[in-house]
Amino acid sequence: NAGVTQTPKFRILKIGQSMTLQCTQDMNHNYMYWYRQDPGMGLKLIYYSVGAGITDKGEVPNGYNVSRSTTEDFPLRLELAAPSQTSVYFCASTPRGAGGRFSYEQYFGPGTRLTVT
Amino acid sequence: DQQVKQNSPSLSVQEGRISILNCDYTNSMFDYFLWYKKYPAEGPTFLISISSIKDKNEDGRFTVFLNKSAKHLSLHIVPSQPGDSAVYFCAASAQGAQKLVFGQGTRLTINP
Repeated sequence: NAGVTQTPKFRILKIGQSMTLQCTQDMNHNYMYWYRQDPGMGLKLIYYSVGAGITDKGEVPNGYNVSRSTTEDFPLRLELAAPSQTSVYFCASTPRGAGGRFSYEQYFGPGTRLTVT
Repeated sequence: DQQVKQNSPSLSVQEGRISILNCDYTNSMFDYFLWYKKYPAEGPTFLISISSIKDKNEDGRFTVFLNKSAKHLSLHIVPSQPGDSAVYFCAASAQGAQKLVFGQGTRLTINP
């Protein structure tokens, strides 16, 4: 298994441009998450999904959009990029645990470092 | 509103000694806690966890202690090794929440 993969690894955007950060997992996990990590800060949840076709906002959703059309893929869309979106973005996934309950352990991708200038 | 706080941004420990990383939380609904370890240019990896029904969980050199009355947990690493140098994140979840809340992280440096 490749686990959680993210592309691209690095990207520089100009203010106002748009882009999609790709995230794919091959572990058949139900739950998927997008986080951003700013310098000296923890991981802030942007959006998450509990299954294909279902998404929900996290702590910092403004300026982002997501979709989940398949179990494997959970792309994050940035529209009208702003310098405040300069960050490292991590995608993560979690399997369904025993008895179908939420399993807390999250598996992370290697991250995408985004700079908006 | 920082629900999970790691008040020490950094910690330096000599190789072979004990490393103690601390984490405080404010939300009394949290019932499951995890520690993640992160190396530069990599994603975080799960290290150890503890349910609120326990006050201690041990896995090799790593032990997590939970003090529910103080809303405090700590990660003990004994003995500390150079490969333990990383950023450690504390995380918490409330039952049914299906998501985690992370602390700011503590950078641990193990000196030879």
